[in-house]
Amino acid sequence: QQQVKQSPQSLIVQKGGISIINCAYENTAFDYFPWYQQFPGKGPALLIAIRPDVSEKKEGRFTISFNKSAKQFSLHIMDSQPGDSATYFCAAWVGAGSYQLTFGKGTKLSVIP
Amino acid sequence: NAGVTQTPKFRVLKTGQSMTLLCAQDMNHEYMYWYRQDPGMGLRLIHYSVGEGTTAKGEVPDGYNVSRLKKQNFLLGLESAAPSQTSVYFCASSRVYEQYFGPGTRLTVT
Repeated sequence: QQQVKQSPQSLIVQKGGISIINCAYENTAFDYFPWYQQFPGKGPALLIAIRPDVSEKKEGRFTISFNKSAKQFSLHIMDSQPGDSATYFCAAWVGAGSYQLTFGKGTKLSVIP
Repeated sequence: NAGVTQTPKFRVLKTGQSMTLLCAQDMNHEYMYWYRQDPGMGLRLIHYSVGEGTTAKGEVPDGYNVSRLKKQNFLLGLESAAPSQTSVYFCASSRVYEQYFGPGTRLTVT
């Protein structure tokens, strides 16, 4: 089964700090890696995504770092704010012929004042 | 645009009862998905559809059926609910990669 392994399961960061969430995959056919953000009682929402031909993508305070040789990618949240407190999911998509995202199990981030 | 909507938002069923969850999207997306979310398990794909009239099984399809009679709607059915189907159900749609999720349906089976 295609898998994406996500860590840590939970993370507590002080306001202004850097939050880092890591994901690892095995299937080298994955060719699209999104991160989703989910607030309590809401559906997941696409936050940022990257393709394997790019090593880093930045959108505001959110950055994806991608290491193709290690088959790992990570989400960095700079200057973390209490409003960033949510559950974050990494995911991976196999390209042609597949219509599915494989999700990690999620990381619950708490940013404390 | 409403995006992806789900009906109902909450439901309590007794074991053995049946129900249908409705998902609707107004983005003209070809692909639609049903997931369940359980604590510590992430999002698991139940069934999906790549177009009107087509459906396929995902990771955890047992006990569920789906239908996609219209492009904008994707229905998830539970024929005989079991306590193990207590979960939060999310519908999503996409043109290709970027999936847009609905607000979820919280289902409790007693």
